[in-house]
Amino acid sequence: GNSVTQMEGPVTLSEEAFLTINCTYTATGYPSLFWYVQYPGEGLQLLLKATKADDKGSNKGFEATYRKETTSFHLEKGSVQVSDSAVYFCALSLTGNQFYFGTGTSLTVIP
Amino acid sequence: GAVVSQHPSWVICKSGTSVKIECRSLDFQATTMFWYRQFPKQSLMLMATSNEGSKATYEQGVEKDKFLINHASLTLSTLTVTSAHPEDSSFYICSAPTSVSYEQYFGPGTRLTVT
Repeated sequence: GNSVTQMEGPVTLSEEAFLTINCTYTATGYPSLFWYVQYPGEGLQLLLKATKADDKGSNKGFEATYRKETTSFHLEKGSVQVSDSAVYFCALSLTGNQFYFGTGTSLTVIP
Repeated sequence: GAVVSQHPSWVICKSGTSVKIECRSLDFQATTMFWYRQFPKQSLMLMATSNEGSKATYEQGVEKDKFLINHASLTLSTLTVTSAHPEDSSFYICSAPTSVSYEQYFGPGTRLTVT
């Protein structure tokens, strides 16, 4: 089947620390991979995506590389800010309509 | 950018009653919308696909008579939880596809608590 596993939180980091949130997936075909972010009281927003193996998605200093050999799509940021505090969801889609989400990882960045 | 809204954001109802949740696309038309359910510390699970002008498509294991979906217009889909029970308490999220392939706009979610 199709599923996404991401590291459990919550994660608490100091400002300017390095962030990694692990995500691995299982898929029956060749999925596109996504990271969504949810700020308090708001809907999920697309952070970045990658549609094929070895693609790197990047946005707002965040990066993730589609690794087919390890079925992973880990999210990284070199220096987090307080404003990055949110819940991060890894997801995959085979059709562009149905998405399979991980459980979400809550990140809190303290000054 | 485009926004998807949900109303209400939080609702409490008594067991046996029905509650309606609205999902609106605010500045774009959506012939298709999706309804998800999220339990605490669990993934978002797709419940159904809402299609404007036709019946909704439900995922396996979702009771269509309990979760009534109506896509009344190109900007509005509603989810009605009928004869609600405490186990229906959850976070319900809707989404609508954007014009960009493989991208969706998500609503902020509705927290339903059934007492």
